[in-house]
Amino acid sequence: DIVMTQAPLSVSVTPGESASISCRSSKSLLHSNGITYVYWYLQKPGKSPQLLIYRMSNLASGVPDRFSGSGSETDFTLKISRVEAEDVGIYYCGQLLENPLTFGSGTKLEIK
Amino acid sequence: EVQLVESGGGLVQPGRSLKLSCVASGFTFSNYGMNWIRQAPGKGLEWVAYISSGSSYIYYAETVKGRFTISRDNAKNTLYLQMTSLRSEDTALYYCASDVADYWGQGVMVTVSS
Repeated sequence: DIVMTQAPLSVSVTPGESASISCRSSKSLLHSNGITYVYWYLQKPGKSPQLLIYRMSNLASGVPDRFSGSGSETDFTLKISRVEAEDVGIYYCGQLLENPLTFGSGTKLEIK
Repeated sequence: EVQLVESGGGLVQPGRSLKLSCVASGFTFSNYGMNWIRQAPGKGLEWVAYISSGSSYIYYAETVKGRFTISRDNAKNTLYLQMTSLRSEDTALYYCASDVADYWGQGVMVTVSS
């Protein structure tokens, strides 16, 4: 199974500042079709996860452009610019390259 | 608006069975593969099973293989998860989610306890 390793476990951010979350996969997520199958999700307190970024760098519908995704074949970054109070929650990276789908253990974002 | 609404959860004794349902609306259900993903209390996300749009391809997590069965009825826009031989470690909030998990239901709680 592909292991997804996230860091840090938690991050505390002042509103208006930026935050970055890292994710590393145990295997390349670059498919032969040129698409990198890493996804980012946010689970707000008491809510279902919601898709933020798909295929490493594509913003999901309705997601503010303060969110961005980047990376290589195995190392990925979610960046949140100008953090707002509504961004609190747990962020998960996930790989959808192959079954079983696997997720990172999550990064909790808090507001200072 | 896309909606996924799960039902069928509850408290069940170890070794017993339970069947979850997920009714989809707002999109062409029969065109999409679907997943069940669960989250134990206070824990992260664990993928459980996947079924392709026409039910030709089905995959399970090793932790549930042989005990859980995923199925769908495209005429009823409904996804199912039949769970048998339930264990305490199956206690979780079960979500149905679209193929790339761009849409999630609100989740249904399954508690396995005597």
